[in-house]
Amino acid sequence: GAVVSQHPSRVICKSGTSVKIECRSLDFQATTMFWYRQFPKKSLMLMATSNEGSKATYEQGVEKDKFLINHASLTLSTLTVTSAHPEDSSFYICSARTSPYAGLFDNEQFFGPGTRLTVL
Amino acid sequence: AQSVAQPEDQVNVAEGNPLTVKCTYSVSGNPYLFWYVQYPNRGLQFLLKYITGDNLVKGSYGFEAEFNKSQTSFHLKKPSALVSDSALYFCAVRDQAGTALIFGKGTTLSVSS
Repeated sequence: GAVVSQHPSRVICKSGTSVKIECRSLDFQATTMFWYRQFPKKSLMLMATSNEGSKATYEQGVEKDKFLINHASLTLSTLTVTSAHPEDSSFYICSARTSPYAGLFDNEQFFGPGTRLTVL
Repeated sequence: AQSVAQPEDQVNVAEGNPLTVKCTYSVSGNPYLFWYVQYPNRGLQFLLKYITGDNLVKGSYGFEAEFNKSQTSFHLKKPSALVSDSALYFCAVRDQAGTALIFGKGTTLSVSS
């Protein structure tokens, strides 16, 4: 099946530093990747949608200058949290999809295992 | 705009009893409906989806869900709960093939032995 990995799985950083999270589709090409943020015991909030080679589309209320998303290849997307602050601490989950109209898999969006970010 | 509602924060069930986790949705077009499960500090695991066809959808681990268009619901069910089913369950929807999944707030299922 389709596998999505994230690295790192857990990161602790000091306030003011930047953190990069990688999302990779291991055995398929992901034309579209999504980044979600999950607060403790809360739902997943869609942050942005990125298509390979294009600028990411951010959801309302998400600061594009703070959460930089790059989708430079069909297998890799990165989320960089710039000048991180304690309120950015969260569980970040990426998701990948093969094409906008993919219906070949039971699971059209494949999710990574998540990255736990803690900002001190 | 599309949205998903999971009215229960928590569902408690005794092992062996049937379970239901509720979900209602709102979309402008035909709904694509999904259920995912999440274990602590883990990503999401796909359970099942409804795109078209039979209203009763069978998925992983013995779970099933029934699509009810008139009630705009897609409740998750299992005839006999297991302690290992205890987890956080998310209902999700999208209204077009190209859009991202929008999730409900999640329902914590607790199965007691």
